[in-house]
Order: sequence, then C-alpha cells, then structure tokens
Amino acid sequence: NAGVMQNPRHLVRRRGQEARLRCSPMKGHSHVYWYRQLPEEGLKFMVYLQKENIIDESGMPKERFSAEFPKEGPSILRIQQVVRGDSAAYFCASSPGASEGYEQYFGPGTRLTVT
Amino acid sequence: AQSVTQLDSQVPVFEEAPVELRCNYSSSVSVYLFWYVQYPNQGLQLLLKYLSGSTLVKGINGFEAEFNKSQTSFHLRKPSVHISDTAEYFCAVSDGGHTGRRALTFGSGTRLQVQP
Repeated sequence: NAGVMQNPRHLVRRRGQEARLRCSPMKGHSHVYWYRQLPEEGLKFMVYLQKENIIDESGMPKERFSAEFPKEGPSILRIQQVVRGDSAAYFCASSPGASEGYEQYFGPGTRLTVT
Repeated sequence: AQSVTQLDSQVPVFEEAPVELRCNYSSSVSVYLFWYVQYPNQGLQLLLKYLSGSTLVKGINGFEAEFNKSQTSFHLRKPSVHISDTAEYFCAVSDGGHTGRRALTFGSGTRLQVQP
C-alpha cells in the first residue's frame, strides 16, 4: 500500500508566478490535510478537505491560496503570485475518516523556493 | 484555541543514555495527543498517540509517553537512545471526541542529537 504521495518534491518559482502542489492520499483515504512548515518552525495547519468539499480552511491565508480535492485525482494546493515569504515545506496528510483512529499519515512534502 | 509548547529546542544526549522530550499543551476541550518524528528532508512519522484509556502510551522504536491531565503534559521518553534516533520530534494535539476539529496543532519541535 503506497503511502501519501506528493509532487513535485522540490519546486522553484519566481516572484509573481503560480505554484501548484499535488497530493495523492493513501488508498482508501478520503480526508486530506495541508500543513506548512516555515524554516525552523513547526507545522501550521492550512486546510482540511474531503472529496469535493472544504471542511476547515481556518489556517489558509485569505488571499492567493486555494485548495481543492476533486472527485477524481489528487488534492491540489494552489498559490497564486508567489512571494518570497511563501518559501516553505508544504506537507499533505491523509486519514481514512474523521472517526477511525484519528491518525494522519504524512507525505514527504514539497519544498517551495521563491526566488 | 489550542497551543503546544515544547520546552527544549535542542536536546543533546550520548548514545545509550535515557532521554525525555517535554511537551505541554493548553486547550479548553478534551484533546488527543501525538508525537511525530521527522528525519532530514522527510515527512513526519507517527511515534505514538493518546486518545483515551491508559495514560502510559507505548510507541514504535522503543519510545513511550505519559499523559498527565493535571499538568497538561505529554512528555516523550526513551530509556536508551541510538544514533539513529537523531531527528526532529514534534508534539501535536487535536480536539478529542467524535465531533472534534481534526486539524493538528504542532509544537515548534525538539531536535534530538545523539552523540557517540
């Protein structure tokens, strides 16, 4: 059973460009979480999605950031008009359901560098 | 709102010595508690979790943690560390209960450095 997959692993963007980060949850998992890790800091929650629904986006910046988890395909975290402060590691986690063990399984992360 | 405090940013320890990584949390609701380990340039791996029941929780790689509700702590321990335990360790909480908010709130991490 493959784990949580994220791609790309490394992404370099110039200021003003768009960044698209992809996350494929573990097989059978229908819940996806996105977290951001700034240098020398812990992970900060961004958004929680189920298939076709955003459940909790309380950690998402109000502008430039969006997330989706379509019926088919991976979850996408999209950052428009990136700025240097967006440089961070972005981790995706998945779980089978909100009431099954509560454990979140993390992917290897996408390291975004904005030049 | 929840918060997690990891009191030590770095913990140096010699191989085969015991270690304790401290974690305190604050929350107005019941919580679930977790410890994750992160090796360089990798994602997070769950070490152990507390949901309910026995306050002493055993995890992988010989780690254990004890939930202390009165002190709002969930310290991680290992009786004898190995070089391979060198990594960053994160304590995290989420709301407890079936309708609780599932997002994890993380501490800032403790870097465990095991020296030969």
